[in-house]
Parts: sequence; structure tokens; C-alpha cells
Amino acid sequence: SQQGEEDPQALSIQEGENATMNCSYKTSINNLQWYRQNSGRGLVHLILIRSNEREKHSGRLRVTLDTSKKSSSLLITASRAADTASYFCAIGGATNKLIFGTGTLLAVQP
Amino acid sequence: DAGITQSPRHKVTETGTPVTLRCHQTENHRYMYWYRQDPGHGLRLIHYSYGVKDTDKGEVSDGYSVSRSKTEDFLLTLESATSSQTSVYFCAISESDVGGGTDTQYFGPGTRLTVL
Repeated sequence: SQQGEEDPQALSIQEGENATMNCSYKTSINNLQWYRQNSGRGLVHLILIRSNEREKHSGRLRVTLDTSKKSSSLLITASRAADTASYFCAIGGATNKLIFGTGTLLAVQP
Repeated sequence: DAGITQSPRHKVTETGTPVTLRCHQTENHRYMYWYRQDPGHGLRLIHYSYGVKDTDKGEVSDGYSVSRSKTEDFLLTLESATSSQTSVYFCAISESDVGGGTDTQYFGPGTRLTVL
């Protein structure tokens, strides 16, 4: 399966700390995407990183991609209570379908 | 937010009854997707559409059918609902496949379906 697997499944940190979550996959990819889901809501796109890119930034978010290790990481710096959500990686292959992982539940304590 | 609505937002039905969920977009995006989300499984693709009247199966398509007669509407039908189809259903849209591979997807608010 090309499904991304997030690690850890759950993460609890204090406001102001950094949060890192990882995604591993098994086959070649075209791109890898990260999404956030607040409780009871739909998913919201955060960042797309292509297979020929190694790092990408968006505000307090930093995504890295290591295709040799088939892994990606999402770093949220200076976390806030509002960052509390589930975070999903999604694998984009050669088709027009995304394969989602099972997510990391992040809790940021005020 | 992308212009995506889902209806109904909540539905309770009985086993064996037909159910149709509707996804409506105002973005004129080519691709539309139906997912289900269950604890421990993340999002799983049910069916998707790459144009009017063009649809294909996803990972968990058994027991579901779809139709897309207009660019803006994508319908998901459970012909005879079962308790295993109790789930939260999300519709998503995507503008194109960018340079090969999947573009960003934009999600609707979800429909919570309970089959008793």
C-alpha cells in the first residue's frame, strides 16, 4: 500500500513549544501533502511538497521530504492552542488520487 | 474557503433503505471525490469523478454508486444502507492534476450518516 503512516499517533505539548510529526510511505511519489482537521470539520490543505523538493515553508510550518528514506516531517513552530487538531499526510502518486494516512492528533495545552 | 457544500449534514436512516448524499461546488473544478472517515482508518476514497459522467472506483467502493450529470454536483448513493456504512462522509474537489499527480484537494464540511 502507498498509504502514509504518521508518527506519533498522538502528541501533547505546551503552548510555545514546537511540534514535529512524521510521515512514512512505501512507494514512489509525485508529491506529498499535509492537511489539518479540526474536530468535526473538513480537512484543510496546509502544504504540498513535490518529489524534487527537499524543504518547504509556510508561516510557522516547515515540511521536509526525504525521498531516499521515503519520509516527510511537518514541524509547527511556536505552537498555539488553536493548532490543536489532527494532521494528515497524503501521498500523491502518478494518478489523480490521494492516499491519506491515519493522522496525528496534536493537543496544545495553554 | 472553497465553495463546497454537502447535504444533508446529518442523517439517520435504517438498514436497507437507500440514501443519497449530495456534494455541490461553485469552483468549476474538474475532479470531485467522495471519502469516508472512520476511527483508525483515516480517510478512504470511495469513488471519484474526473469530469461530467466520468467516474471511477476508489479503495472502498462496494455498496456505493455515484453520478455526476453536471460539473457542480456529485452524488453518492447507498443503494441499501448497512450498519457498516455508518461513517462521516467527505466530498472534496481538485482543480487539476498538476504536472502529473494530484493537486491540492479542498474539502466540504462532511455528512454524518448513522445507519441503525
